[in-house]
Order: sequence, then structure tokens, then C-alpha cells
Amino acid sequence: QQPVQSPQAVILREGEDAVINCSSSKALYSVHWYRQKHGEAPVFLMILLKGGEQKGHEKISASFNEKKQQSSLYLTASQLSYSGTYFCGITGTASKLTFGTGTRLQVTL
Amino acid sequence: NAGVTQTPKFRVLKTGQSMTLLCAQDMNHEYMYWYRQDPGMGLRLIHYSVGEGTTAKGEVPDGYNVSRLKKQNFLLGLESAAPSQTSVYFCATRRTGTRHPEAFFGQGTRLTVV
Repeated sequence: QQPVQSPQAVILREGEDAVINCSSSKALYSVHWYRQKHGEAPVFLMILLKGGEQKGHEKISASFNEKKQQSSLYLTASQLSYSGTYFCGITGTASKLTFGTGTRLQVTL
Repeated sequence: NAGVTQTPKFRVLKTGQSMTLLCAQDMNHEYMYWYRQDPGMGLRLIHYSVGEGTTAKGEVPDGYNVSRLKKQNFLLGLESAAPSQTSVYFCATRRTGTRHPEAFFGQGTRLTVV
């Protein structure tokens, strides 16, 4: 079953912050985050493993709450280059990777 | 290194025709996946493989078949195409590992069934 992402879409002005949420009805072992530009393939951002760790990638960070089976992606001081569709991917087993419904992010001047 | 290569990149099929999409990787990854992407639906897993000679169903397997005869290739077949199979198809690969490594994607195949 696909994880559910919220919001479905968000529009930001450059410099504003955003949070994208990902929740699953199944137990999670890891959460992946990817960004897809229009007409391109998804590109990996980061992985979080169970244990509640938090990771960062420049001004993009994420958290993983395994008890709540949720993950959140935090984008701070957004830049035009952050525009795209963000996907969370979950693994309940080592091999099966299931992606969420996506969140479309648009950053404007 | 080419990474993950999908063939073809575009295709138009008539309803009822068959075709095979090829995913080829040169990264020696064990895991391979086929997803379809439709507006508002995200990436949905069709089938996947954990190694040569193995396949497993994903969330939306109906109407598709797959084969992994060689480790580097993962084929997705449509026996009798339907308009509902109009979509962008992505192949992805991952290596094995206890830290659940990231996926690498091909550039996608845009399929239209008329």
C-alpha cells in the first residue's frame, strides 16, 4: 500500500520554509526522499533508518518517527531550484520499495 | 558507465498490441523495479526482482508480466495493451545492503495506448 503524502501541492516564495509529510499504515524500516524535476527521473535526496534519526542535506532535512510510522521533510529558506515533485519511499522489507503519492512544490520569486 | 537505461523512450501502441520495455543496468545491482507514474498517483510499483531469475508482484501488477533472465536486464511486458496503461514507466535499481540503499532511476518510457 502506498504511503500518503501531504500536502499534495504547495507554492512558496523564495526564502520561505515548507514541510512535507509522509505516513504509512505499515511498519517501516527506512524512509527515502527523492525529488523529481519536470520531465526527468526522480533523484535521491536522503535515507532515514528506523531509530528516529534526523538527516540534513544543505537546507533540506528530514525526520523519521518509527512509532508513528511517519516522516517529514523540511525545506528551509527555499530556493527556485527546490521546485519539483517530492516523493517519499518506504521499505518494510529490505527489497520492496514503495513510493508515495507525491507533493508538488513550486518556488516563486 | 551508463547507469540505468530504458528502451524505448517513447512508444505509441494500439489497443490490443503487445510490447516489451527493457531496463538495462551496468551497476551490478541485485534489486530492480518497474513503476508507473500517473498524474496525482505518484509512483506505483508494478513488479520487482531481488535477483536473477526472481520476480515479485507490486501494488499494480495486473496486465503486466516481467522477466529477469539476466542480472543486468529487467523486462516489462504488456501482452494486450489497454488505454488505462497509458503512463510513464520508470525502472529503478538498488544494491543489497543492511542500510537500505538508495534507488537509481532510468530516464523513463512514455507509453501511449490509443
